[in-house]
Amino acid sequence: DGGITQSPKYLFRKEGQNVTLSCEQNLNHDAMYWYRQDPGQGLRLIYYSQIVNDFQKGDIAEGYSVSREKKESFPLTVTSAQKNPTAFYLCASSMIGLAGVDNEQFFGPGTRLTVL
Amino acid sequence: AQSVSQHNHHVILSEAASLELGCNYSYGGTVNLFWYVQYPGQHLQLLLKYFSGDPLVKGIKGFEAEFIKSKFSFNLRKPSVQWSDTAEYFCAVIVSGSARQLTFGSGTQLTVLP
Repeated sequence: DGGITQSPKYLFRKEGQNVTLSCEQNLNHDAMYWYRQDPGQGLRLIYYSQIVNDFQKGDIAEGYSVSREKKESFPLTVTSAQKNPTAFYLCASSMIGLAGVDNEQFFGPGTRLTVL
Repeated sequence: AQSVSQHNHHVILSEAASLELGCNYSYGGTVNLFWYVQYPGQHLQLLLKYFSGDPLVKGIKGFEAEFIKSKFSFNLRKPSVQWSDTAEYFCAVIVSGSARQLTFGSGTQLTVLP
C-alpha cells in the first residue's frame, strides 16, 4: 500500500532528552512536511523539505531539527530546547506541482509525544 | 503572512440538519484553498480543494464549499449531516506560487447527535 508511515504512535520521554520521530513515504513525493497539532490551535508548520539534502524552517522551528538524506524519509528531532514539546506531530508529503499548480498534501497517522 | 480563521470551535447538530462551517483567510492574492477532516482515530484527509475555475467545489461524502473571493471566504456546507460526520474539520490555504506552506485554521469540532 502506498502511503505515509510514522513511528512510534505514542512516545514518552523525560525532560531534557532529545527524541526522534520517524516519517517514511513510498508515494515518490518530492516534498515532505512536519506539523504540530495542539488543541484549539490547528496545525502549525515546523519544517519542510522540497528536495533531498535541503529543508526550510516553518513557523515554529525553534527547538526542532530535521534531516532529508533520502527522498522517502524526513525524521524530526525534538530537542531539549523545545520548551513545550508535548503535542501531536503530523508528517505530510506532496508532489511539487507545475508552475501555478499546488498539490494536495497527504498526511501520516501522527505520533503523540508526551514529556514526563 | 496569511492567516485562516474558523469562527466556530465546536458545532453540535442533530442528524439531518444542514451544516455550514465558516472559513475566512487574510491574503489578497491568488490562493489555493482546502478543507481537511480528521475522524476520531484516523488520518487527516482531504475533503475538497479549490485551485481555479468554478467557485463551487464538490468533495467527498456530500460536502461542498464555495469560494467567494470578495469575502475572502471558503465556507464548507452539507445539506444533511449524519452521525458519521462527527469529526474535526480544518480549513487551509496556500498562497499560489509560494513555497507551498499550508496555513491551517484552528479547526472546528463537529458533533452530530443521533
